[in-house]
Amino acid sequence: ETGVTQTPRHLVMGMTNKKSLKCEQHLGHNAMYWYKQSAKKPLELMFVYSLEERVENNSVPSRFSPECPNSSHLFLHLHTLQPEDSALYLCASSLRWVVNEKLFFGSGTQLSVL
Amino acid sequence: AQKVTQAQTEISVVEKEDVTLDCVYETRDTTYYLFWYKQPPSGELVFLIRRNSFDEQNEISGRYSWNFQKSTSSFNFTITASQVVDSAVYFCALSEVRYKLSFGAGTTVTVRA
Repeated sequence: ETGVTQTPRHLVMGMTNKKSLKCEQHLGHNAMYWYKQSAKKPLELMFVYSLEERVENNSVPSRFSPECPNSSHLFLHLHTLQPEDSALYLCASSLRWVVNEKLFFGSGTQLSVL
Repeated sequence: AQKVTQAQTEISVVEKEDVTLDCVYETRDTTYYLFWYKQPPSGELVFLIRRNSFDEQNEISGRYSWNFQKSTSSFNFTITASQVVDSAVYFCALSEVRYKLSFGAGTTVTVRA
């Protein structure tokens, strides 16, 4: 079961572009997450939203701007990115934001910054 | 400092071989949770197992088994009689009290027919 949908699957953008990544979950979950996955590195937590409120911001540069308009949708707005921001961006959700909850992941957006 | 270490970057086996993935973690919490996730080529991580720090019983689910040893801070994962569909990246993760979820770097498993 996935239940977490991310669009687009692939995105190529220049450093001066502005784009947005979208995540949608149909699982009735109350917590949503953005992770960055770079090659051969552990997944990096970027942001956490619980009940539509941002509860975690892991020292992410301001060129990444999250938005959670409701508990089913999560966006990641991108502007003036750098080539080192190229990575797979994964969205996840969980029933609650507590220590023992398992996460449900989307398939990710593969981002290339030229 | 890395909280979750998966020392094996890549493992390649022939179908029907057993494969064991190592996971060593580091925490000062007495209550914590350990997870394994599988990431197939399609990209989405899929939850496999959750274990809390007070339950050291080993677990078996079909061809999958997990060995949790607090004394060595390890939570190893074994796939018995591997199949091509087991080819994926496997991540071990640690969740601590303030919900700090830390992932390891992952182990890529390739099962050849």
